[in-house]
Amino acid sequence: GDSVTQMEGPVTLSEEAFLTINCTYTATGYPSLFWYVQYPGEGLQLLLKATKADDKGSNKGFEATYRKETTSFHLEKGSVQVSDSAVYFCALSDQSFNKFYFGSGTKLNVKP
Amino acid sequence: DTEVTQTPKHLVMGMTNKKSLKCEQHMGHRAMYWYKQKAKKPPELMFVYSYEKLSINESVPSRFSPECPNSSLLNLHLHALQPEDSALYLCASSTSGTSGRLTDTQYFGPGTRLTVL
Repeated sequence: GDSVTQMEGPVTLSEEAFLTINCTYTATGYPSLFWYVQYPGEGLQLLLKATKADDKGSNKGFEATYRKETTSFHLEKGSVQVSDSAVYFCALSDQSFNKFYFGSGTKLNVKP
Repeated sequence: DTEVTQTPKHLVMGMTNKKSLKCEQHMGHRAMYWYKQKAKKPPELMFVYSYEKLSINESVPSRFSPECPNSSLLNLHLHALQPEDSALYLCASSTSGTSGRLTDTQYFGPGTRLTVL
């Protein structure tokens, strides 16, 4: 079946550091891929998405590129801020099976 | 407007109580979802409604009873819950194709933090 695998956290960075959170997926069809962010005590917010191979999603300085050849959708940001501290979930939408799959989440801590 | 609202924000209930969670969206989405999220875990799908009809029930115990009165509202009725049901309950919505197939981006509400004593 389909699945999403994320790097384990927590990830701790200093402010202005470069961020990469790895996400790989398995899917039998042509999934759409998402990154959601969850700030402490809140619900999930859509951060960015990509619906086909080689698409790049971007928002608020975050980027991720849909790589079909490596089945990856890694999240990157050039310079993190303390306010980026949150849990980041990679997710996959599979139209073939009418399902939505979340990764396990990666907690990011950014220190001043 | 990409907002999904949920009430109440917090709920404390005893194991014999009956309570309801409410979710509302005005984006014209025809698919709505209930998720349960335990601490430090991803959301787990509970129910999906498509065009006001229950389309997916992920083997959820009958003490959770969903209801979709119209295309904008989704309720979750709670009765005889257990302490292990304490969690963050998230509602989401998305577009739904004419065939009822779920499509693409889900928009989440802020959640209801439920504590069962």
